[in-house]
Amino acid sequence: AQSVSQHNHHVILSEAASLELGCNYSYGGTVNLFWYVQYPGQHLQLLLKYFSGDPLVKGIKGFEAEFIKSKFSFNLRKPSVQWSDTAEYFCAVPQGGSQGNLIFGKGTKLSVKP
Amino acid sequence: ETGVTQTPRHLVMGMTNKKSLKCEQHLGHNAMYWYKQSAKKPLELMFVYNFKEQTENNSVPSRFSPECPNSSHLFLHLHTLQPEDSALYLCASSQESSGGPTGELFFGEGSRLTVL
Repeated sequence: AQSVSQHNHHVILSEAASLELGCNYSYGGTVNLFWYVQYPGQHLQLLLKYFSGDPLVKGIKGFEAEFIKSKFSFNLRKPSVQWSDTAEYFCAVPQGGSQGNLIFGKGTKLSVKP
Repeated sequence: ETGVTQTPRHLVMGMTNKKSLKCEQHLGHNAMYWYKQSAKKPLELMFVYNFKEQTENNSVPSRFSPECPNSSHLFLHLHTLQPEDSALYLCASSQESSGGPTGELFFGEGSRLTVL
């Protein structure tokens, strides 16, 4: 069965610092990958997604993620974080890799100090 | 406004009570989901309805009973729950096609359940 690992439970950064959150998945075939974000008191929402093509995916609010097939990774990055990026970030992958229902990682809580 | 509305937002119930959570989506989607979000655990998929038919039941105890009367509404009926069932229950919807799911879920804000 597919699984998703997020290595960092809680990350604390100062504003303008660079961010990289790790995500690894287990399924080795065709795979769709997602990052979702949950801002404090708000609903989960899609940040970015990868289906095929360019492995560097751009999302909202300056976030990007790179799909590295050889490493089974889909790390989330942002060159310069803002206080408003404080949120919990979830990596997700469909159960079957490219189809099926989403399996989520445990999430990484990001706290950005002003 | 998320397009997916969940009620109630907060619910406290005893172990012998019967209650229901309601979800309504205003996005015209054809698939709806229940997820459970507990502290320090990954989001757990509970039930999936595609085109109003249940297509997934991830070994959820029978004290949770889903109902999907149409493609816009989803219920989770709760009966004789345990304290460990206390969690945030999230409803989501998506548009599925013959080519497979898009994987883009639209979530509600959740119903925070506390079982005493």
